Amino acid sequence: GQQLNQSPQSMFIQEGEDVSMNCTSSSIFNTWLWYKQDPGEGPVLLIALYKAGELTSNGRLTAQFGITRKDSFLNISASIPSDVGIYFCVGWGAQKLVFGQGTRLTINP
Amino acid sequence: EAGVAQSPRYKIIEKRQSVAFWCNPISGHATLYWYQQILGQGPKLLIQFQNNGVVDDSQLPKDRFSAERLKGVDSTLKIQPAKLEDSAVYLCASSLDFLSYEQYFGPGTRLTVT
Repeated sequence: GQQLNQSPQSMFIQEGEDVSMNCTSSSIFNTWLWYKQDPGEGPVLLIALYKAGELTSNGRLTAQFGITRKDSFLNISASIPSDVGIYFCVGWGAQKLVFGQGTRLTINP
Repeated sequence: EAGVAQSPRYKIIEKRQSVAFWCNPISGHATLYWYQQILGQGPKLLIQFQNNGVVDDSQLPKDRFSAERLKGVDSTLKIQPAKLEDSAVYLCASSLDFLSYEQYFGPGTRLTVT
């Protein structure tokens, strides 16, 4: 089946630092998404990527869709406490979401 | 606009017991999903409804799990009998239609089977 592998699995950073996380897939997806899950809540859509090579920003978040359509990265600049949570890369295919295992971000104030 | 509502938020049962979860999607959303999220993993789709019809239940363990969406609005997911490996967070999500990748998730029900 389709699998998305995220790295790192967890990150511990200081407030104000920049963050970078990656995702690779065994399959090609035409749309890549990044969702965030706050503790005790369901995932929320952050960014959507449609074209290979596309670079998209949403505030302090920047994401890129890999040229091969099998990878993506997410960067967060100048992290703040509310950035804490689990970040999922998600492939959209056959009208279904396929989630990676997530990158857990912890921020020390 | 009200979000996706789920109840209960937490449930602890013994193995072989039964349990039911309830979901109320965002008003006007035709597509409803149930996901299972095991600790340390991403959500995995169990079943997808379009209005009150099942679109995909290929990952639903049908010998013990069942779900329905009467009248195309609220939905219930049932487990009977529960096993230890069913311990997880059960997330309900909804979207405008099955072509939309933006799904709105509820807070989930955390199930512990002892």
